[in-house]
Amino acid sequence: DQQVKQNSPSLSVQEGRISILNCDYTNSMFDYFLWYKKYPAEGPTFLISISSIKDKNEDGRFTVFLNKSAKHLSLHIVPSQPGDSAVYFCAASVRSGGSNYKLTFGKGTLLTVNP
Amino acid sequence: EAGVAQSPRYKIIEKRQSVAFWCNPISGHATLYWYQQILGQGPKLLIQFQNNGVVDDSQLPKDRFSAERLKGVDSTLKIQPAKLEDSAVYLCASSSEGLGSHRRIQYFGAGTRLSVL
Repeated sequence: DQQVKQNSPSLSVQEGRISILNCDYTNSMFDYFLWYKKYPAEGPTFLISISSIKDKNEDGRFTVFLNKSAKHLSLHIVPSQPGDSAVYFCAASVRSGGSNYKLTFGKGTLLTVNP
Repeated sequence: EAGVAQSPRYKIIEKRQSVAFWCNPISGHATLYWYQQILGQGPKLLIQFQNNGVVDDSQLPKDRFSAERLKGVDSTLKIQPAKLEDSAVYLCASSSEGLGSHRRIQYFGAGTRLSVL
C-alpha cells in the first residue's frame, strides 16, 4: 500500500531546460511535504518543503507546487544543471504521536541533466 | 555543524550472522530515526526515538531487529539473525525540536550498506 507515489522512475532533460518531477499521495492526514535529493553513496539531502496550507514555495531554482484537492505535488527545477543529476525523493509528513512527526517516502525519480 | 555520523559504511555478512550499526545524530537533535532502503525503493521507517524513548516501532521486525538509544544521543540498530532479504542501506536521520517546520525536516547520514550472502 504505497501512500506516496512517484510514477516516473527516471527523467532526462537538457541543461538549461525545466525539470518537472511529480508526486501523488493518498493519505489525507499528510500535512507537510518535502523533497530530498540523493547522490550515489550519500544519504538523502533536504531540498525544499511545503506546508499543506500553501500551494507554492520557491527557493532559488527550485519551486514546489501543491494541489491539495488532487493530492498532487510537483518539483520544478529551472534552469536545470548537470549537477542536479540525482535521485529525487518525495516525502510526506504526518504526526506520529505527541509532538513527533514521521515521513513516508516515494520510490524516487532519477533525474539526468544532459550537458 | 557536524552532520549525522554512521558506521560502518559497508558490511558483508553471511545469513544467520548478526550485525550492528551505529549512529550519532546532529548535536542537540532529540529525535532519531532508523530507515531501511532496499534497492529501487524509498527509505522505509523502522523505528523513531525521542530522546531515549521509542515513539514508533510499528515497522520494525522485532523478531530479528532491535534498536536502542540508551543515553538519548547515539543509537545502535542490530539484526540477529540476518536474512538475505535484509540486504539494504540502513539510514539514520535526526531532527530538532525547533518550532514549526523545523521538527518536520530530517537530516540523514550517509548510511550503511549491508550485504547478506
